Amino acid sequence: DIQMTQSPSSLSASIGDTVTITCRASRSISRYLNWYQQRPGKAPKLLISDASTSQTGAPSNFSGGGSGTDFTLTISSLQSEDFATYYCQQSYSTPYTFGQGTKVEIK
Amino acid sequence: QVQLQESGPGLMKPSETLSLTCAVSGDSISNGYYWGWIRQPPGKGLEWIGSIYYTGSTFYNPSLESRLTISVDTSKNQFSLKLNSVSASDTARYFCARSTATTGTFVYWGQGSLVTVSS
Repeated sequence: DIQMTQSPSSLSASIGDTVTITCRASRSISRYLNWYQQRPGKAPKLLISDASTSQTGAPSNFSGGGSGTDFTLTISSLQSEDFATYYCQQSYSTPYTFGQGTKVEIK
Repeated sequence: QVQLQESGPGLMKPSETLSLTCAVSGDSISNGYYWGWIRQPPGKGLEWIGSIYYTGSTFYNPSLESRLTISVDTSKNQFSLKLNSVSASDTARYFCARSTATTGTFVYWGQGSLVTVSS
């Protein structure tokens, strides 16, 4: 199985800040990397697929990058609705695997 | 708009068989795409369980494969999960989801069905 490791596990930030979450795969996954946002009690929401392709309806302050084993999710100008948990997930090979999550909290 | 709705037992006892159904509206399962199950234990992360194509072709997480069956009913536009011999470690919210053209990328999700296994 491909292991996905996110860092940090949690972070505190203020509205208007820019934050970056990293995701590392245990072996190369090309650009088969997705990012999801999950708010408490809700289903995950796909934000970015294929490392950097924003989904229709995703806020414009989210951007993704990377390839191979190292990836990033950047949230610019944090808004109140951006405080949530974020998961990366590889879709390169089965079993599809997720990172452990990064909780973004209000400072 | 594609909508998915899970239905399940809620509370179960150890060793029983978990059966969950995902009803799809706003799209036809026969239009293609992969349809999957993902679970999340309380307070923990996400685990992919398995996926199915409308033809019935499946692929499962090896960690669950020996206990797992995923099936599709195109006439009812729904797909189902059966997990045998459940234990407390199977307690989780179970989500159904539809993929994009990329089989392992899940764009539409149900709200989830909480399954608790307790004696």
